[in-house]
Amino acid sequence: EPEVTQTPSHQVTQMGQEVILRCVPISNHLYFYWYRQILGQKVEFLVSFYNNEISEKSEIFDDQFSVERPDGSNFTLKIRSTKLEDSAMYFCASSDGYSNQPQHFGDGTRLSIL
Amino acid sequence: QKEVEQNSGPLSVPEGAIASLNCTYSDRGSQSFFWYRQYSGKSPELIMFIYSNGDKEDGRFTAQLNKASQYVSLLIRDSQPSDSATYLCAVKGRAGRRALTFGSGTRLQVQP
Repeated sequence: EPEVTQTPSHQVTQMGQEVILRCVPISNHLYFYWYRQILGQKVEFLVSFYNNEISEKSEIFDDQFSVERPDGSNFTLKIRSTKLEDSAMYFCASSDGYSNQPQHFGDGTRLSIL
Repeated sequence: QKEVEQNSGPLSVPEGAIASLNCTYSDRGSQSFFWYRQYSGKSPELIMFIYSNGDKEDGRFTAQLNKASQYVSLLIRDSQPSDSATYLCAVKGRAGRRALTFGSGTRLQVQP
């Protein structure tokens, strides 16, 4: 069964550094998403991406964050000037073009800011 | 603020019993509803989704939706110890929006 893959599985970074989290969505999917889950808290929506542009973003997704689809398969989340509170699990998800269809999640990247 | 509410649990049921998990949502215009299972330290795994009022069955799982009451539930029949996990209710809002709003999850414990 096709799946969303994310790399790395764990990223440790010094506060103030930039990190790039990578995702390969399911190949025939058109919508891509990033969510995060701080330890012990809810899964929170960050951003959705369609047709090479952001289609929706949350209040969390401020100028510190950016997303990109650098080629035909990868989808990345860049976090600049990382802060301690950015420590979380970051999940990539993808879905097909139909509005009611589910989003399928990757295994996540655990980001630890020191 | 659009909210999705779930009882945090734990909900403890004996093996073979029916587990009933509930979720309410605040946005009356919400269109689609999803149940994900999340094991500790793992990612959400899709169990069921529903967007029409009524019941939807898939194997041991049944999702129930009542839009008038803004209520969605998940029944797990013949519960197994491997079903022990946190069950997340997620809601997709109005047409044109794709963001999922998640509840905090209900922790289910199935006792052997």
